[in-house]
Amino acid sequence: AQKITQTQPGMFVQEKEAVTLDCTYDTSDPSYGLFWYKQPSSGEMIFLIYQGSYDQQNATEGRYSLNFQKARKSANLVISASQLGDSAMYFCAMGEHTGTASKLTFGTGTRLQVTL
Amino acid sequence: SQTIHQWPATLVQPVGSPLSLECTVEGTSNPNLYWYRQAAGRGLQLLFYSVGIGQISSEVPQNLSASRPQDRQFILSSKKLLLSDSGFYLCAWSQGNEQFFGPGTRLTVL
Repeated sequence: AQKITQTQPGMFVQEKEAVTLDCTYDTSDPSYGLFWYKQPSSGEMIFLIYQGSYDQQNATEGRYSLNFQKARKSANLVISASQLGDSAMYFCAMGEHTGTASKLTFGTGTRLQVTL
Repeated sequence: SQTIHQWPATLVQPVGSPLSLECTVEGTSNPNLYWYRQAAGRGLQLLFYSVGIGQISSEVPQNLSASRPQDRQFILSSKKLLLSDSGFYLCAWSQGNEQFFGPGTRLTVL
């Protein structure tokens, strides 16, 4: 069974600073995907970044980067130059491929608060 | 571009009443579709997924059912709601690795 662990229930970061949100995972599948989503107070789940288990390089999308350490089974999200609009819940998820579908298992989330 | 719609946005229902939540996707064909539930202050839990019309896979035993009558339509139903069915229901679609979520339906069962 797959498991995602986010050990930081809440984090604070000052505007313009970088912040790292932790995520560790556990799976016996050789092929999997790791995802990060942002959930603002409105409730929508916004896709941020994806990392495949066979990808050699860490994924980057604008100010978001995924620090993928396969041996440690960690997939931390790094947000650079934090903005007030980054305040939200952040969820790490792992995808298990079943045929063409990908079933996501989510962590419990980290609430990020960006301060002035 | 692809868009995903869910309705209603919010719903308050009495215990024992039926439920029907609808999800539609535009701008793509033959997507994989998913229903997730998020309890208050928790992460998302996958309830159902579908890889094609009429094909439904259930992930957890529960009081809910799902149907896919058309390629881009996914429906979540219940014959009799329980208090524990309260939560935030999110529909998602995918065609590759990434999953994209709809705006969600907030269901309160009283």
